[in-house]
Amino acid sequence: AQSVTQLDSHVSVSEGTPVLLRCNYSSSYSPSLFWYVQHPNKGLQLLLKYTSAATLVKGINGFEAEFKKSETSFHLTKPSAHMSDAAEYFCVVRPSGSARQLTFGSGTQLTVLP
Amino acid sequence: SQTIHQWPATLVQPVGSPLSLECTVEGTSNPNLYWYRQAAGRGLQLLFYSVGIGQISSEVPQNLSASRPQDRQFILSSKKLLLSDSGFYLCAWSTGGLDQPQHFGDGTRLSIL
Repeated sequence: AQSVTQLDSHVSVSEGTPVLLRCNYSSSYSPSLFWYVQHPNKGLQLLLKYTSAATLVKGINGFEAEFKKSETSFHLTKPSAHMSDAAEYFCVVRPSGSARQLTFGSGTQLTVLP
Repeated sequence: SQTIHQWPATLVQPVGSPLSLECTVEGTSNPNLYWYRQAAGRGLQLLFYSVGIGQISSEVPQNLSASRPQDRQFILSSKKLLLSDSGFYLCAWSTGGLDQPQHFGDGTRLSIL
């Protein structure tokens, strides 16, 4: 069975400083991994996806994530936070062979301080 | 390009009343369609998914049902709402490719009084 653990429920950073949102996963097979962002009362927007190609994945809005199989991690980073990055972020895993089954992390609320 | 529409955006209903939430997708054919519920401060729970017209799979036993009367239309229903049905409901679609992500609508905030 697969699971996803987002290690921090809340992260606060100052505008212009780096962002690190941590995610660890467990999966019996080679998974697909995703990061989504959710602004208040909105749906989830895909930031980036990992599907067994390059281990460093670049996404939208300057975000990127690195797949580390040895550490079973898929942390999300951004070099410089912007006020508009304040939102909730979800790490999501889908085991290989499943088009439908996604497992969502419990989310990390990112606050960006001026 | 593909778009997904959900309505209404917010809904307040009394306990025991019926429910119908609608989701439509444009710009793609034969998508996989999904209904999720997001409780406050928690991740998403998959309620139903559909791989084609009239084909519905339920992930959890509950007071809700889903239907897919047309290729790009997905409806979430209930005959009698419970207080526990309150939440944020999200519709999503994906293509058939196994490495393709799901794309979400803007959601419906349902409050049961």
